[in-house]
Amino acid sequence: NAGVTQTPKFQVLKTGQSMTLQCAQDMNHEYMSWYRQDPGMGLRLIHYSVGAGITDQGEVPNGYNVSRSTTEDFPLRLLSAAPSQTSVYFCASSRRPEETQYFGPGTRLLVL
Amino acid sequence: TQLLEQSPQFLSIQEGENLTVYCNSSSVFSSLQWYRQEPGEGPVLLVTVVTGGEVKKLKRLTFQFGDARKDSSLHITAAQPGDTGLYLCASAGGTSYGKLTFGQGTILTVHP
Repeated sequence: NAGVTQTPKFQVLKTGQSMTLQCAQDMNHEYMSWYRQDPGMGLRLIHYSVGAGITDQGEVPNGYNVSRSTTEDFPLRLLSAAPSQTSVYFCASSRRPEETQYFGPGTRLLVL
Repeated sequence: TQLLEQSPQFLSIQEGENLTVYCNSSSVFSSLQWYRQEPGEGPVLLVTVVTGGEVKKLKRLTFQFGDARKDSSLHITAAQPGDTGLYLCASAGGTSYGKLTFGQGTILTVHP
C-alpha cells in the first residue's frame, strides 16, 4: 500500500518557468488537498478537492492551479514560478476533511 | 476560514520537564486534530477530539477539548528528546467547514 506519493522530491526552477507537482493516493479517498509550508511555519492550504471534478480554493491559491480528473490524482500546477513560491509542498488525502489526513513526503521547491 | 491560534510558537525545555501547548479559535470547532511533524517529513496524526470537555491520553501526552469547543490543549509530561518536533492543531469545522486548516504550529525542542 503506497499511501500518498508525491513527485518530484526536489525541484529548482527559474522565475517564470512552469511545472506540475504530482500527487497520487491509492486509498480511494475523496478529499485531497495541497499545502505549502515555509520554514518554521505551519501548513497553509492552497487548494482542495472533495471528489473527482470538484476543486476549491484554500487560503493561498494565487499562482497555483489544480484539477481532479480522477479520484487518485490531484496535480498542482505553477504557471509562472516566482521566488515567493519557494517552499515545501505537501499533498494530503482523507475520506473527509475532519478525518485523519495522510500526508505525502513533500516536494521541496526552490525558485531562483 | 477558521483562524487557529497556537501558543507558544517556540518552546525549548530540558528533558523531564512538563509543557502545555494551546490551540484557540474565536469560532466553535466541530472537531480538532493534533498532528506532530518531524523535520523532513509530513505531519502525522496524534489524536482527534470531538466532544466538548473530552480528555484523551496517549502515553505521556494528554489532550483536552474545551467545554465550549473553542480551545484545546496538549500537555506532555516528563518530556523526552524524542518529543522534539513541530506540533500542529487543525480543524475542519466552523468557518472552515469542508476544508482542513492548520494553526501556525509550536516548535518544541527538548534538550537532553
